[in-house]
Amino acid sequence: AQSVTQLGSHVSVSEGALVLLRCNYSSSVPPYLFWYVQYPNQGLQLLLKYTTGATLVKGINGFEAEFKKSETSFHLTKPSAHMSDAAEYFCAVSSFLGAGGYNKLIFGAGTRLAVHP
Amino acid sequence: NAGVTQTPKFQVLKTGQSMTLQCAQDMNHEYMSWYRQDPGMGLRLIHYSVGAGITDQGEVPNGYNVSRSTTEDFPLRLLSAAPSQTSVYFCASRDRGNIQYFGAGTRLSVL
Repeated sequence: AQSVTQLGSHVSVSEGALVLLRCNYSSSVPPYLFWYVQYPNQGLQLLLKYTTGATLVKGINGFEAEFKKSETSFHLTKPSAHMSDAAEYFCAVSSFLGAGGYNKLIFGAGTRLAVHP
Repeated sequence: NAGVTQTPKFQVLKTGQSMTLQCAQDMNHEYMSWYRQDPGMGLRLIHYSVGAGITDQGEVPNGYNVSRSTTEDFPLRLLSAAPSQTSVYFCASRDRGNIQYFGAGTRLSVL
């Protein structure tokens, strides 16, 4: 079974400060990892994904995440927060089943990011 | 460029009423799914479908039915609404690269 744990349901940073949102996963097979963002009253949209290959993944809006297998982590970072980054962020995991396609996408509980002036 | 379209956006039901949440996608994706979002619990999978005529249960299927008669449509039915089904519901479709595309959501209140 796969699972995702997001540490910290709320994170608050100052504009211009580093953003770090933590995600740890559990998977018995090589994972596919995702970060999604949800702005108020909207659906989720993909920020970035890790499948195979390079462990540092760059996404939209200046975000990036690093897959660390030894730590079973996939933390999301952005060097300098902007007011427009205020949203809820979800980490998710699935896996490739070969001929069976992809496994179900399992989400973490989410982290709400607040950015203050 | 519609993507995933959900209707209605808002709905209020009385306990015991039935209704259908509609979901349509125009990207020809085989895989579609329904999630519910509750505070502090992330998104939980209700039902999913890997193609027309094929559906299966997710984590929280009780109280919900689905069918998939076409590739485009994947409606979610509440047969007898309960206050515990008050939530925000999201429909999603998935492409061959395992990227999920979400609708804007349906906010449901059951009184």
